[in-house]
Amino acid sequence: DAGVIQSPRHEVTEMGQEVTLRCKPISGHNSLFWYRQTMMRGLELLIYFNNNVPIDDSGMPEDRFSAKMPNASFSTLKIQPSEPRDSAVYFCASRKDRASGNTIYFGEGSWLTVV
Amino acid sequence: AQSVTQLGSHVSVSEGALVLLRCNYSSSVPPYLFWYVQYPNQGLQLLLKYTTGATLVKGINGFEAEFKKSETSFHLTKPSAHMSDAAEYFCAVSDRAQGAQKLVFGQGTRLTINP
Repeated sequence: DAGVIQSPRHEVTEMGQEVTLRCKPISGHNSLFWYRQTMMRGLELLIYFNNNVPIDDSGMPEDRFSAKMPNASFSTLKIQPSEPRDSAVYFCASRKDRASGNTIYFGEGSWLTVV
Repeated sequence: AQSVTQLGSHVSVSEGALVLLRCNYSSSVPPYLFWYVQYPNQGLQLLLKYTTGATLVKGINGFEAEFKKSETSFHLTKPSAHMSDAAEYFCAVSDRAQGAQKLVFGQGTRLTINP
């Protein structure tokens, strides 16, 4: 089975540009998570969805960040405008059902550099 | 709110030696506990998890962890380290009491294996 698929894998952009990261969760999974990983702050949960509905977006840093899940097989994380401090690895992850004990499966990550 | 503390951001052991990575959690009730491994330039992969039942949990690649409620710990061990074990390891907690569905990660421990 295909895992969580993220694109792009690597992106370098200039400050002020819009960045859109994409995620396709594992088929049949109905919880989706966006995490950000940096050296300074480690792994931070940005937002998660259940059945395409945002449940908790308290981790979204500021209004420049937005996330959508228009259907069960696709989600985007958008940064507009981007800033150098947004440079990080962004992981999408998915899980079957809402059960907290179920395993969360991670994608390979999108490596973002804002210059 | 639940939290995770990993003692030691870097651990170095010799090949063939015991691996011990420490994790302590804070939660109102016994939580779900996870260990993930991240190899360079890759996403996170589940090593093992504790949800209920036997407190000694066996995972992939010869790793195991023991849930100790009295110590609020979930330390990860492997009897004999292999060069391929070099990676970053993350302990994570999900609090079942609040019905919380998100996973909170520790800061990670980078494991180095010396030949």
